[in-house]
Amino acid sequence: SQTIHQWPATLVQPVGSPLSLECTVEGTSNPNLYWYRQAAGRGLQLLFYSVGIGQISSEVPQNLSASRPQDRQFILSSKKLLLSDSGFYLCAWSADRGGTDTQYFGPGTRLTVL
Amino acid sequence: AQSVTQLDSQVPVFEEAPVELRCNYSSSVSVYLFWYVQYPNQGLQLLLKYLSGSTLVKGINGFEAEFNKSQTSFHLRKPSVHISDTAEYFCALHQGGSEKLVFGKGTKLTVNP
Repeated sequence: SQTIHQWPATLVQPVGSPLSLECTVEGTSNPNLYWYRQAAGRGLQLLFYSVGIGQISSEVPQNLSASRPQDRQFILSSKKLLLSDSGFYLCAWSADRGGTDTQYFGPGTRLTVL
Repeated sequence: AQSVTQLDSQVPVFEEAPVELRCNYSSSVSVYLFWYVQYPNQGLQLLLKYLSGSTLVKGINGFEAEFNKSQTSFHLRKPSVHISDTAEYFCALHQGGSEKLVFGKGTKLTVNP
C-alpha cells in the first residue's frame, strides 16, 4: 500500500533562517506531487505541484521554492524565512493525470517563524 | 476561473442531530467534486467524491453528498452526527484535464454533547 511521509512534524525557526521540508511517497511510481499551505483562517493554498522529476509548477509567487530530485521525493525550501511563512504545510500525491483520482495527504509540518 | 465557496465557516450542532455543510462551485466546464475531512493537527482524508453517474454519493463515516448541476452545489450531509465528527471539512473541485484541486476555505463542524 502507499504511504506518504513528511518531516519534520513541527519546526520553529527564526526570521531570516533557511527552510527545508521533505516529503516522500512509498508504494507508487511517477506520482503527481503537491505542496499546500494552511494559514489560520485561510483554507488550503496550493503552492507547487509536480508531474515528474525536475518538473515544478508554481502557483503563487513568494518566498518559497520546490524541487523534485527523485521520483517520489518533493522538497520545499526557502533561503530566508518571513513571519508570513508560518503555517501548516501539507504534501499530497495522486496517481491519475486526468483529475479523477484522489489526492492523498501527508500528516503535515507545523512551521512557526518567530 | 473555477472556484469553490463554502458558505459557513463554522457549524455547531448537538450530538445525534442532522447536519448539512454547504458547498457551491463555479466552473465553465465539467468538474469532479470532493469532500475532505481534517482532524486537528492532521492531514486531510477523503470522505467522498463525485465523478459521474448517480448524483447522490455515499462516503465514509455515514456522510453523503448530492451533486446538483443546476444549482452548482455539492452539499455534504449526515443524518446523525457524533462527537467524533468534530473536524474541519473541505469541499474541493477538480477541473477535467487539470492537475490541480481547488479548495474551499473550509467549514469547522463542532459537535456538542
